[in-house]
Amino acid sequence: AQSVSQHNHHVILSEAASLELGCNYSYGGTVNLFWYVQYPGQHLQLLLKYFSGDPLVKGIKGFEAEFIKSKFSFNLRKPSVQWSDTAEYFCAVNARSGGYQKVTFGTGTKLQVIP
Amino acid sequence: NAGVTQTPKFRVLKTGQSMTLLCAQDMNHEYMYWYRQDPGMGLRLIHYSVGEGTTAKGEVPDGYNVSRLKKQNFLLGLESAAPSQTSVYFCASSPRAVPNYNEQFFGPGTRLTVL
Repeated sequence: AQSVSQHNHHVILSEAASLELGCNYSYGGTVNLFWYVQYPGQHLQLLLKYFSGDPLVKGIKGFEAEFIKSKFSFNLRKPSVQWSDTAEYFCAVNARSGGYQKVTFGTGTKLQVIP
Repeated sequence: NAGVTQTPKFRVLKTGQSMTLLCAQDMNHEYMYWYRQDPGMGLRLIHYSVGEGTTAKGEVPDGYNVSRLKKQNFLLGLESAAPSQTSVYFCASSPRAVPNYNEQFFGPGTRLTVL
């Protein structure tokens, strides 16, 4: 069964600091990878996604993520965070093996950006 | 388009009471899902549906029932509420994707408290 690990549960950064949130998954086959963001009091929204092709994926609001197949990782990065990036971030994996597959979510990383 | 909507937004129940949460989507999506979100546990799939008239169990189905009588609606029922079901419930939908990308669109959530 597929699983997703987000090792950082709570990250606190000052504005303008660089961000990297880790995401590792366990599945040996072809995967689709997602990062979702949940701003305080709101629902989850898609930040970026990887299906195939260029392993460096750019999303909204200056976020990017790199798929490293050999490391089973899909880390999220942003060079300079803003106070408005304070939110909870979820990594998700969909294993592609034919038919319907469910998406597995990580436990989330809470990011707090201090002005 | 309203996207994915959920009613009610908040509810307080007493142990043993029953209730139904309604999810509606206007994007003509085939797949619909119910998740619960608990602190430190991310999103856990309760039930899902791959089309009108079909439902299937997710990771944590016990104590819940679902129905998908119409394509646009997915109902989640609690037959006899327990304090352990205090949570935030999110509904999501996704189109029938080829190949199975499973990008999900989330509703605003229902905060349920069981006393």
